[in-house]
Amino acid sequence: ELKVEQNPLFLSMQEGKNYTIYCNYSTTSDRLYWYRQDPGKSLESLFVLLSNGAVKQEGRLMASLDTKARLSTLHITAAVHDLSATYFCAGRYTSGYALNFGKGTSLLVTP
Amino acid sequence: DTGVSQDPRHKITKRGQNVTFRCDPISEHNRLYWYRQTLGQGPEFLTYFQNEAQLEKSRLLSDRFSAERPKGSFSTLEIQRTEQGDSAMYLCASRSGTDNVLTFGAGSRLTVL
Repeated sequence: ELKVEQNPLFLSMQEGKNYTIYCNYSTTSDRLYWYRQDPGKSLESLFVLLSNGAVKQEGRLMASLDTKARLSTLHITAAVHDLSATYFCAGRYTSGYALNFGKGTSLLVTP
Repeated sequence: DTGVSQDPRHKITKRGQNVTFRCDPISEHNRLYWYRQTLGQGPEFLTYFQNEAQLEKSRLLSDRFSAERPKGSFSTLEIQRTEQGDSAMYLCASRSGTDNVLTFGAGSRLTVL
């Protein structure tokens, strides 16, 4: 089974600052996902990363994947309050179907 | 296309009762997943269907839980003899065979008293 660890689990940052959320996974994965969840809402897909070195960007968020290090990062540039949410990464074991999620990073952006 | 629909959105039941949740995936999606999420945790995988075939179940899934997808379209998740520990949000997600994006429904919240 693929295990996913995120850090930090809680992050409070000021508007305008940059920060990175880290996602480590335990074994071979053929795809890595990032999701956003607002309180009381379901999960919204942000990125799907399929290959080593993949980088995707949307607005102030950029995700990357290093399959050799079994590491994905979600970089936040010049944070704004609207980015406050919980961010999950999830990976799928190469020989399986299940998508396994990390515990999530709860992000709070303050003025 | 209205996305992934789940019903009911909220269910309150007494311990020992059976409950059933329904998921209607996006119409062209042949792959369907059930997850459970408790407060402050990430979604926990329960089971996966490809068309009508149930191809993977979590080893942690109690035998009180059963899921079906009889015609490869909607799916049901039944919990028998509910326990207080079953209280959670039950999420359904679907995707097509050619698209890697997993789309989640709004979830069915279960409270067991």
